[in-house]
Amino acid sequence: DIQLTQSPSFLSASVGDRVTITCRASQGISNYLAWYQQKPGKAPKLLIYDSFNLQSGVPARFSGSGSGTEFTLTISSLQPEDFASYYCQQLKSYPITFGQGTRLEIK
Amino acid sequence: QVQLVESGGGVVQPGRSLRLSCATSGFIFSSYNMQWVRQAPGKGLEWVAGIRFDGSDKNYADSVKGRFTISRDNSKNTLYLEMNSLRVEDTGVYYCARDVREFDYWGQGTLVTVSS
Repeated sequence: DIQLTQSPSFLSASVGDRVTITCRASQGISNYLAWYQQKPGKAPKLLIYDSFNLQSGVPARFSGSGSGTEFTLTISSLQPEDFASYYCQQLKSYPITFGQGTRLEIK
Repeated sequence: QVQLVESGGGVVQPGRSLRLSCATSGFIFSSYNMQWVRQAPGKGLEWVAGIRFDGSDKNYADSVKGRFTISRDNSKNTLYLEMNSLRVEDTGVYYCARDVREFDYWGQGTLVTVSS
């Protein structure tokens, strides 16, 4: 199985900050990686697919990069509505796996 | 617009069974692969099972293999998850999701609680 390790697990930041979340895969997954945002009590929302493609309707302050085993999600200027949990997901092979999550909180 | 609505969750004793449904609308259900994902209370996301658009191929997480069965009825635009021999560790919110490789639409989830 392909393991995904996100870092950090917890991040405290302020409105306007630039933040980066990293996702490392235990083996190469090309660019078959997606990022999701989840707010408490809500379903996950797709942000980024194929490592760097922005899902329709997602603000341009979100961006993704990486290939192989190392990937990043960057939020260029945090907005109040961005404080949530974020998960990476690999779609290279079954079983599909998620990272353990990064909880982004207001400083 | 695309909608996915899960139902069938509830409180059940260990060892018992439950069937979840995911009613869909707003897209051609029979053209899409579909998935189930769960989330234990306060924990992260865990993929559970997936099914090909025509039902010809199914995949399961090791944690549910042999106990859970994913199926679909394309005439009813509905996805199912039959859960047998439930365990306390199966407790959580179960989401269905549309699979376009990534999961682009999700339902609101249905809560399954396994407790004696």
